[in-house]
Amino acid sequence: QSALTQPASVSGSPGQSITVSCTGTSSDIGGYDFVSWYQHHPGKAPKLLISDVSNRPSGVSDRFSGSKSGNTASLTISGLQAEDEADYYCTSYSKTFHVVFGGGTKLTVL
Amino acid sequence: QVELMESGGGLVKPGGSLRLSCAASGFDFSDSYMSWIRQAPGKGLEWLSFISNSGTTIYYADSVRGRFTISRDNAENSLWLQMNSLTVDDTAVYYCARDGSYGELAWFDYWGQGAQVTVSS
Repeated sequence: QSALTQPASVSGSPGQSITVSCTGTSSDIGGYDFVSWYQHHPGKAPKLLISDVSNRPSGVSDRFSGSKSGNTASLTISGLQAEDEADYYCTSYSKTFHVVFGGGTKLTVL
Repeated sequence: QVELMESGGGLVKPGGSLRLSCAASGFDFSDSYMSWIRQAPGKGLEWLSFISNSGTTIYYADSVRGRFTISRDNAENSLWLQMNSLTVDDTAVYYCARDGSYGELAWFDYWGQGAQVTVSS
């Protein structure tokens, strides 16, 4: 059981937008602006998409955006493309456990 | 070009030991804070351990504390994870990753390709 809760799967058609939620507690997401998101294609290294809730590292498409409200963080992918099909993970600094990850969300592009 | 390359994975029997290595290049390793993260089959990512740039500050997840030891050599641009008393639950792909937030454990900007560790009798 992961410390952060993500939906197991989401899907969308090319061009659509989807949002992946990530729910924690006041000891992690709710207490710090240290939420990050990663894209993981199986067999490859995870890729940082979003840091510090909503910052996009250089080179990451602006189709990816992050936000947070209370104990829940969200990743939105707009203009879905076939290559976005991957697993997505949220993570947060945790007062209790140092770092906590979500269980991952499998994105299917229909 | 930034590169993190894990090695040392393999098949080990329950109760056995294994030492993973992570060779870093393309960035200032001596100024970087590093972590080990793993992914068990069919599971999500799990953070395991952190070491500061100087090696003086170290953290572990409860699941590995007392069994795993993180270390580094800045002169060799290398990071290690010594894993003892392995169980089948330690079967996973192990990644080394750089803490891009300089010790805040906020985000990981560089990741290796991973090393497979299989614990089985």
